[in-house]
Amino acid sequence: AQTVTQSQPEMSVQEAETVTLSCTYDTSENNYYLFWYKQPPSRQMILVIRQEAYKQQNATENRFSVNFQKAAKSFSLKISDSQLGDTAMYFCAFRPSSNYKLTFGKGTLLTVNP
Amino acid sequence: EAGVVQSPRYKIIEKKQPVAFWCNPISGHNTLYWYLQNLGQGPELLIRYENEEAVDDSQLPKDRFSAERLKGVDSTLKIQPAELGDSAVYLCASSARTTGDRNEQFFGPGTRLTVL
Repeated sequence: AQTVTQSQPEMSVQEAETVTLSCTYDTSENNYYLFWYKQPPSRQMILVIRQEAYKQQNATENRFSVNFQKAAKSFSLKISDSQLGDTAMYFCAFRPSSNYKLTFGKGTLLTVNP
Repeated sequence: EAGVVQSPRYKIIEKKQPVAFWCNPISGHNTLYWYLQNLGQGPELLIRYENEEAVDDSQLPKDRFSAERLKGVDSTLKIQPAELGDSAVYLCASSARTTGDRNEQFFGPGTRLTVL
């Protein structure tokens, strides 16, 4: 069974600064995907970024980038130039390539302060 | 393109009453998921449908929960009777059934259930 651990229940950052959210996972799978989802107060879960485990290059999406360390089973999210609209719960998630099942962490509540 | 639609957004009921949630997935998405999200937790899968077939319902408490997707499009999740511990957000998601395995799940806004 897979587990996903987010060790930071809450974080805060000043607007325009950079923040990093941590995620570790445990799996015996070799092929899988990792995701960061954002859930604003409206509750619509939105995919922020994905990483394929077979790719060594870290994924980037505009202000969002990841640091994927496969051997350490670590998958952190860096948000640059934080904006007020980034305030949300952020969930790290894992999915084996062989099936559809997403396993989520407990989430990190990020607050961006003006 | 319309996203995943869920209704109602909020529901308050008394314990032992029945309740139903409705979901309409993104057009063309054959795979539909129902998740339970307790306060302060990540979503947990309850059931997954491929078209009208429930292919994974191992986490669905079948004594009180039921789901259907009769025509392989929209779906209903029912609880009867509801218990206090069922208070949570119920999320619906859908994904396109493709041969590739980069199968992103798109989530609806959820239904927040409060059982009194």
